[in-house]
Amino acid sequence: QKEVEQNSGPLSVPEGAIASLNCTYSDRVSQSFFWYRQYSGKSPELIMSIYSNGDKEDGRFTAQLNKASQYVSLLIRDSQPSDSATYLCAVNTGKLSFGAGTTVTVRA
Amino acid sequence: DTAVSQTPKYLVTQMGNDKSIKCEQNLGHDTMYWYKQDSKKFLKIMFSYNNKELIINETVPNRFSPKSPDKAHLNLHINSLELGDSAVYFCASSQRGPPTLEQFFGPGTRLTVL
Repeated sequence: QKEVEQNSGPLSVPEGAIASLNCTYSDRVSQSFFWYRQYSGKSPELIMSIYSNGDKEDGRFTAQLNKASQYVSLLIRDSQPSDSATYLCAVNTGKLSFGAGTTVTVRA
Repeated sequence: DTAVSQTPKYLVTQMGNDKSIKCEQNLGHDTMYWYKQDSKKFLKIMFSYNNKELIINETVPNRFSPKSPDKAHLNLHINSLELGDSAVYFCASSQRGPPTLEQFFGPGTRLTVL
């Protein structure tokens, strides 16, 4: 079983819609969780970190964590074409373990 | 002004050659990392140094040798390059190791082995 798994993409959403990205992890003792955005040909950029159960909102982004279910998600509200990118879920397992990423395309 | 910088940005070389990639961070972070991102975009850690001390050494061929002269620099030397080494190599840094591990990435070095 992979340490971090993300829902397979690509995910295509119309402009203004909500994009929902999911991630599950296998290590129960993980304490910190991250979402990175990576534009094509660029480096990963940290957009959200979450450490406790529940929701964390930052602008149009909301991260949700459920440690009992070993599940973390990212919602992008009012999606914009500039949100088109690959989103990487990362989990602290003593080191950062990354998922394979979900590519999001926002249609204008 | 760049927080984490890498040189070179592109590296094209022949099989069997030896090459180095350099990384510098000006964030005052204690921990630095090397990652490899393959053609399928999977990002995998290779090495991590904390205050010049190696703390993570994943299953990487010993042709890869990291070196940290000080906590702001982490270089990667690769001997006897192989076709499978072609990838994008990212350097990253963080304020500290676990548990927070908010990492900041450099722009990447695209290595192509012919």
